[in-house]
Amino acid sequence: DAGVTQSPTHLIKTRGQQVTLRCSPKSGHDTVSWYQQALGQGPQFIFQYYEEEERQRGNFPDRFSGHQFPNYSSELNVNALLLGDSALYLCASTPFGGTEAFFGQGTRLTVV
Amino acid sequence: AQSVTQPDIHITVSEGASLELRCNYSYGATPYLFWYVQSPGQGLQLLLKYFSGDTLVQGIKGFEAEFKRSQSSFNLRKPSVHWSDAAEYFCAVVVGGGSNYKLTFGKGTLLTVNP
Repeated sequence: DAGVTQSPTHLIKTRGQQVTLRCSPKSGHDTVSWYQQALGQGPQFIFQYYEEEERQRGNFPDRFSGHQFPNYSSELNVNALLLGDSALYLCASTPFGGTEAFFGQGTRLTVV
Repeated sequence: AQSVTQPDIHITVSEGASLELRCNYSYGATPYLFWYVQSPGQGLQLLLKYFSGDTLVQGIKGFEAEFKRSQSSFNLRKPSVHWSDAAEYFCAVVVGGGSNYKLTFGKGTLLTVNP
């Protein structure tokens, strides 16, 4: 079992650009959530996808959007990048109705 | 809304000493409670979880945690710390399941282990 996999592991973008991060959930999991972890902080919930729809959203602007594919993998898109978007982005998966989230290793985004 | 407080930003202990990391939550009912560990630049690994039943739960790597409803606390403990335990520890709470599953994390406690 490969667990939750995220790509890329690191990337550097310029202010104003757009970025796409990818996540493949653990086998058997159909619900994917995204979290943003700024340096020295705990992860903050961005949104959650189930059945290819956004089900819950945290306190993040519309510049943050996502998508879930039929195979349950997911993408996180961030438009008009700001310096403050620099963070570790974590993907977590759960089976529907499950009570334990499994996390990927994260994507470290640096905005310069 | 639920919240999680980890009062200690940074704790330093000597190898072999005991450890207790504090966590307080705010929620009207009993939530699901978790402790995660994060090594530098890595994702989160689940140490243990509490859903219901026995208030003392055992986890991986020799960790345990005790749920105290009267104090709204879920403190993490380890009797003897190893150098490899140096990492950041996060307490988290979740309310709801299925499509309502959302983790709320504390700000974390950084653990340093002295030889």
